[in-house]
Amino acid sequence: QENLVQSGAEVGKPGASVKVSCKASGYTFTAYYIHWVRQAPGQGLQWMGWVNPDSGGTTYAQKFQGRLTMTRDMSINTAYMELTGLNSDDTAIYFCARQLLPDYYMDLWGKGTTVTVSS
Amino acid sequence: DTVMTQTPLSSPVTLGQPASISCRSSQSLVHSDGNTYLSWLHQRPGQPPRLLIYKISRRFSGVPDRISGSGAGTDFTLHISRVEADDVGVYYCMQLTHFPYTFGQGTKLEIK
Repeated sequence: QENLVQSGAEVGKPGASVKVSCKASGYTFTAYYIHWVRQAPGQGLQWMGWVNPDSGGTTYAQKFQGRLTMTRDMSINTAYMELTGLNSDDTAIYFCARQLLPDYYMDLWGKGTTVTVSS
Repeated sequence: DTVMTQTPLSSPVTLGQPASISCRSSQSLVHSDGNTYLSWLHQRPGQPPRLLIYKISRRFSGVPDRISGSGAGTDFTLHISRVEADDVGVYYCMQLTHFPYTFGQGTKLEIK
């Protein structure tokens, strides 16, 4: 059963950092890019970037440049998204999703991780 | 950034009747490789998005054939031929041709 399992809810103070994990199972981890997409309460979807689990290469949306780091650990089939300098606008559900190259679509999504920024 | 504009934002539909959602992009979504990377996603409350359609009109595995996609260039449409109760939720178009990838605002489908 192909699956992406995300880590649990996080609460962070303004200015702090958060790191969310996304563990892949049931498929070859290195064959698919992992994307991160977030959704603020009651809002739409916002793409943040992707990590190539094979090479570790990344591409980030410019909006998050300097605050966002995506990494992976091939030994445990897990991708990570770390966001620093948290502010209230970062309160959202963060989803990971996979993409099989060379095609461009996201066919499997994690259930989401709620990140709340609060003092 | 490529702006994706969906209409309508809300669509009350009678069970068994058709529904359609439009998505317009601020620039052509034809990729340099000749493909058009326009997807449609469906999200129910409290759940992650689910892929329905990719590359304008290709139905993803398990998606019923009463759901279809059409369009080209900058104008795209999602069609549901006969709405069922399971179809309620929010539908998003998404472009994966230009960085950053972007989504439409979402269209809420509800039953009358």
